[in-house]
Amino acid sequence: DADVTQTPRNRITKTGKRIMLECSQTKGHDRMYWYRQDPGLGLRLIYYSFDVKDINKGEISDGYSVSRQAQAKFSLSLESAIPNQTALYFCATSESRGLSYEQYFGPGTRLTVT
Amino acid sequence: GQNIDQPTEMTATEGAIVQINCTYQTSGFNGLFWYQQHAGEAPTFLSYNVLDGLEEKGRFSSFLSRSKGYSYLLLKELQMKDSASYLCASGSGNTGKLIFGQGTTLQVKP
Repeated sequence: DADVTQTPRNRITKTGKRIMLECSQTKGHDRMYWYRQDPGLGLRLIYYSFDVKDINKGEISDGYSVSRQAQAKFSLSLESAIPNQTALYFCATSESRGLSYEQYFGPGTRLTVT
Repeated sequence: GQNIDQPTEMTATEGAIVQINCTYQTSGFNGLFWYQQHAGEAPTFLSYNVLDGLEEKGRFSSFLSRSKGYSYLLLKELQMKDSASYLCASGSGNTGKLIFGQGTTLQVKP
């Protein structure tokens, strides 16, 4: 079984709709991250969480919100989707000890907003 | 500020060697990562350098010069399956955050 899972894998929604992307992990990591990836722009950080009580904005948090329901679950919500939120979304996890902060990525959710 | 630069595209021949360069300017620099990403798939970890020098791992090697803000990924004995995007990422501070470059798309030709 995959260590980091994302649901749904693909989603088409309409402008103005609320949508939630979910991420679960079995790696036992404290830190979780949400990124979006757009062609030519690389991965950009939306939100990150160090534990259930510690959530932080990334570089492009406007229009998004998150919820850390448990150590293993981190959800990303688009309250009112707009077409420029069409992108590939990745969840990632990492340990919170040591110098190495290797991040482990989920398979991604391809979101299209029409 | 935070800035990562790497070439957008590269092409190389099967069996050859290719070097992908990355320059960075990152506050609170905490190591340099390389990830491989095949089209439509998740990035997967390749290497991590925190000290100056070369780290070798099979066909892949990664180099870091902290004083120059420079890293490269060296791929030897290229195979067709190496066609992918290669992402350079800088660790920032002690938050675990990574700052990613836009990625280098490598095409390996027969």
